Amino acid sequence: EAQVTQNPRYLITVTGKKLTVTCSQNMNHEYMSWYRQDPGLGLRQIYYSMNVEVTDKGDVPEGYKVSRKEKRNFPLILESPSPNQTSLYFCASRPGQGFGYTFGSGTRLTVV
Amino acid sequence: GNSVTQMEGPVTLSEEAFLTINCTYTATGYPSLFWYVQYPGEGLQLLLKATKADDKGSNKGFEATYRKETTSFHLEKGSVQVSDSAVYFCALSDLNLGYNFNKFYFGSGTKLNVKP
Repeated sequence: EAQVTQNPRYLITVTGKKLTVTCSQNMNHEYMSWYRQDPGLGLRQIYYSMNVEVTDKGDVPEGYKVSRKEKRNFPLILESPSPNQTSLYFCASRPGQGFGYTFGSGTRLTVV
Repeated sequence: GNSVTQMEGPVTLSEEAFLTINCTYTATGYPSLFWYVQYPGEGLQLLLKATKADDKGSNKGFEATYRKETTSFHLEKGSVQVSDSAVYFCALSDLNLGYNFNKFYFGSGTKLNVKP
């Protein structure tokens, strides 16, 4: 089944403890993105990647890192999480221009 | 710049009612337009798309027509069901000439509640 897989689905962590949210797609898509979804603020792009080793900042990159060492994987790294990063996170991928995104099921992160 | 504006929700309808969710956009180029649906506790799913003016996207009884003259992409369904209750997002993808990558712009989402 073609899909984007995120893990974990739920995560509660403490301020300052480094964490990684994994994302993997099995559709050989070129483009991948990370979004966060917050009530009243909609979907905001954190980082995106056009291909292996090609990444760039989205609208709200502060406090996040990403890497794209393989085409299928696009992990999101929070080096020192803070409570304002409590959110619902989505990874998404798509083949290229003119195509829509396929989204993962989401990761609900709580930072206390 | 580019943006997407959706009607605010929630929209509450009775089963079998006609649905319209308005979406208008601004874009500097020739964007592709999308509707996504998010069911409770799930990720966004692509519902339909249109890539050029006068195209009609359709899926699962939903339709939307790309209207360049009114810069609109309204979502319609003739007869909604309880199972259509979800949040609907309009989105725009425009070619950013500085990069070989379309940036996606999402509307704020419209929650639809369908009552039996």
